[in-house]
Amino acid sequence: QVQLVQSGAEVQKPGSSVKVSCRASGGTFSSSSFIWVRQAPGQGLEYMGRIIPILGRANNAQKFQGRVTITADKSTSTAYMELSSLRSEDSAVYYCAKLSSGYSYAIDIWGQGTKVTVSS
Amino acid sequence: QSVLTQPPSVSEVPRQRVIIACSGSSSNIGKNAVNWYQQLPGKPPKLLVYYDDLLASGVSDRFSGSKSGTSASLAISGLQSEDEADYYCASWDDSLNAVVFGGGTKLTVL
Repeated sequence: QVQLVQSGAEVQKPGSSVKVSCRASGGTFSSSSFIWVRQAPGQGLEYMGRIIPILGRANNAQKFQGRVTITADKSTSTAYMELSSLRSEDSAVYYCAKLSSGYSYAIDIWGQGTKVTVSS
Repeated sequence: QSVLTQPPSVSEVPRQRVIIACSGSSSNIGKNAVNWYQQLPGKPPKLLVYYDDLLASGVSDRFSGSKSGTSASLAISGLQSEDEADYYCASWDDSLNAVVFGGGTKLTVL
């Protein structure tokens, strides 16, 4: 069973960038599909993008085009999400997650979440 | 503004049944599978139902999903206090090329 362990909480200033990591263990990292979802305080879930490590190419949600970079390191089974030009509205819990196999796009494994606070 | 539409809240008394609706369009629910998640406070979401009506591993059979056209629903029978949580529907959207979520429904067990 795959487990996803994310990096710790971050406090960043407006205009800066944050990079969150997500290490996978117990499964086939390269052939899986990993996504990033964020949740602002008291709000719902928001999809940011996904990557399939074996393909190496990420697809990002339109809203985050130009600001988010999703990468994966097959050698360490770690996925990364970097968000730039941070603003206060980016304060949220950021989750990495794994899509299940097949075509349901169901998210069967979630990381524990990383809280990012953007504050001057 | 979420792509999928859910009621913000529902409530019911213990041992009764509640239904949470989720409305979408032809580019998401109308063409792709619907999945449902339960989120307890301070926790990541947990997959409950996938492919419209299949129960995820370890999920109680008190939960069930269904879909018709561009709408879906999650039913919870025999309500228990532990079912109090936020519930989200989700699907793939072919136009947006993204996973889209409902805004979430807060279930209160009275």
